[in-house]
Amino acid sequence: SAVISQKPSRDICQRGTSLTIQCQVDSQVTMMFWYRQQPGQSLTLIATANQGSEATYESGFVIDKFPISRPNLTFSTLTVSNMSPEDSSIYLCSASGTRNTGELFFGEGSRLTVL
Amino acid sequence: QKEVEQDPGPLSVPEGAIVSLNCTYSNSAFQYFMWYRQYSRKGPELLMYTYSSGNKEDGRFTAQVDKSSKYISLFIRDSQPSDSATYLCAPKKGNTDKLIFGTGTRLQVFP
Repeated sequence: SAVISQKPSRDICQRGTSLTIQCQVDSQVTMMFWYRQQPGQSLTLIATANQGSEATYESGFVIDKFPISRPNLTFSTLTVSNMSPEDSSIYLCSASGTRNTGELFFGEGSRLTVL
Repeated sequence: QKEVEQDPGPLSVPEGAIVSLNCTYSNSAFQYFMWYRQYSRKGPELLMYTYSSGNKEDGRFTAQVDKSSKYISLFIRDSQPSDSATYLCAPKKGNTDKLIFGTGTRLQVFP
């Protein structure tokens, strides 16, 4: 298994500012992903964080709005840029397990409120 | 059409009841079928998964997949208040680690 720590766990931000969320995994993992979970909704994949190269974004998400870094096999960051109230959400970092079954481990999420 | 459809509930049952949670999907390329459980204010955790069609049992939980009808089920026997959570189905293709999550069904088991 993998233990994932996210910082900050929650934050309240002003419109137009940016926030960077950090994700630390306690072991080296191949795949890391960032999901968004809006209030009362399910998880939507934002992007795959690729180690040493640009992230792969899902439809509807762009690098300018959600820049992602992954400098090594245990760490990634997601920045939410130029925030608006519509960005208020829970952002979850996840990493794949060692079994080739699709099991993902999740952090507890970063709850973001934009005023 | 969404790739994965799931009744959002909420579903409220008495302790000891048998619970049936269901999903439908549209992509025939899905091969793994995961069920995640998410407690309030926590990240999802894998409950169980099945590969291709068939049943899989783990304690009080049984996962069932019918690929011919693209229908996924999770059964909980002798439900407990500790089972109160949101249950998310998440199918996956064999050649990727990306999961597509259903909307989740919120379950409440009352004593």
